[in-house]
Amino acid sequence: GAVVSQHPSWVICKSGTSVKIECRSLDFQATTMFWYRQFPKQSLMLMATSNEGSKATYEQGVEKDKFLINHASLTLSTLTVTSAHPEDSSFYICSARLAPEQFFGPGTRLTVL
Amino acid sequence: AQRVTQPEKLLSVFKGAPVELKCNYSYSGSPELFWYVQYSRQRLQLLLRHISRESIKGFTADLNKGETSFHLKKPFAQEEDSAMYYCLSGGYQKVTFGIGTKLQVIP
Repeated sequence: GAVVSQHPSWVICKSGTSVKIECRSLDFQATTMFWYRQFPKQSLMLMATSNEGSKATYEQGVEKDKFLINHASLTLSTLTVTSAHPEDSSFYICSARLAPEQFFGPGTRLTVL
Repeated sequence: AQRVTQPEKLLSVFKGAPVELKCNYSYSGSPELFWYVQYSRQRLQLLLRHISRESIKGFTADLNKGETSFHLKKPFAQEEDSAMYYCLSGGYQKVTFGIGTKLQVIP
């Protein structure tokens, strides 16, 4: 089946720094990828929809200048958490759509000190 | 706006007992509905989609448009079914998750 990878799987950074998370579809092309955030023992919250070659669509309440999304190719989308703060610590998950199904990455654990 | 409701955060059943995980949706038009499962320390993976009407690992889910429901059922729970189950409404540009139901199968 289709595989989605994320890199890194976990990252620790200092407050004020920026962190980039990559999401790759390994064996298929995805014009649409999605980014989610998951707090402990809670459901996934959709942050934004990433479209190849165009601007991402952000959900209400998600700061687009804080969470920069770039979908430069059909197999790669990146999420950059800019000027990270401790409250940004979370589990970030991406998915890629291969219609009609979503394939999920394993997630990235971000800890901001 | 699309909404997916899973009323139970936790469902505990004994091994061999029937299981029903509830999901209700609100969506204008024809919904695309899925059940995803997340086993401990694993990524989310597709369990069922409404268009396929198949049975996976003994689970089935029927779309009831009158009740706007897509409940997940299994006649006899097994220990390996213990996991988080998410009902999802998805389309080309929009994905909506329910809050998830943790299924705990007691041996």
